[in-house]
Amino acid sequence: GAGVSQTPSNKVTEKGKYVELRCDPISGHTALYWYRQSLGQGPEFLIYFQGTGAADDSGLPNDRFFAVRPEGSVSTLKIQRTERGDSAVYLCASSLGQGSSEQYFGPGTRLTVT
Amino acid sequence: AQSVTQPDIHITVSEGASLELRCNYSYGATPYLFWYVQSPGQGLQLLLKYFSGDTLVQGIKGFEAEFKRSQSSFNLRKPSVHWSDAAEYFCALTGLTGGGNKLTFGTGTQLKVEL
Repeated sequence: GAGVSQTPSNKVTEKGKYVELRCDPISGHTALYWYRQSLGQGPEFLIYFQGTGAADDSGLPNDRFFAVRPEGSVSTLKIQRTERGDSAVYLCASSLGQGSSEQYFGPGTRLTVT
Repeated sequence: AQSVTQPDIHITVSEGASLELRCNYSYGATPYLFWYVQSPGQGLQLLLKYFSGDTLVQGIKGFEAEFKRSQSSFNLRKPSVHWSDAAEYFCALTGLTGGGNKLTFGTGTQLKVEL
């Protein structure tokens, strides 16, 4: 079956611009996670959705970052007034739901802010 | 605060040799531990996981890992490495707090396999 998909695969934007990154989870997975992976680092947690609601957004670095999941499936990570430090690979993962251990990761979106 | 340490940034082994990748963790209770592999341009793939019970867990692709509570370690092993195992390996933990399974990752170990 289809895995987690993320679009675009690459995004180059200028400093100060607004970007949206999309994640399409595995069908039927109610839990969705966003992580950010900077060069030479492991992924860092950003936000977790259970259904439509953000159950834990403690990893969002500041108020320029926002994510939504209006219908409990596709999620969009939104970054306002991008900064060069936002350059990273943004990973999305989904799992069956609360208590489910295995997260299935998408290939990521590589964001470059020039 | 929880953390994961992977002391080795790079490791090079010859094909057919054995492999051990180190992982140490810090967590106030018994963690749930994972090893993931990431190949260039690919997403993270789960190799194995430890929740409870037998401290030696088997995973895919011939990998195994052993949970040692006394050493706060969860090292990954493979008896005979194949050239296709060259990739980056991440150890991760979660504590299942608040119903979510957010993962805390180490910084990764890049494995190179010499033919």
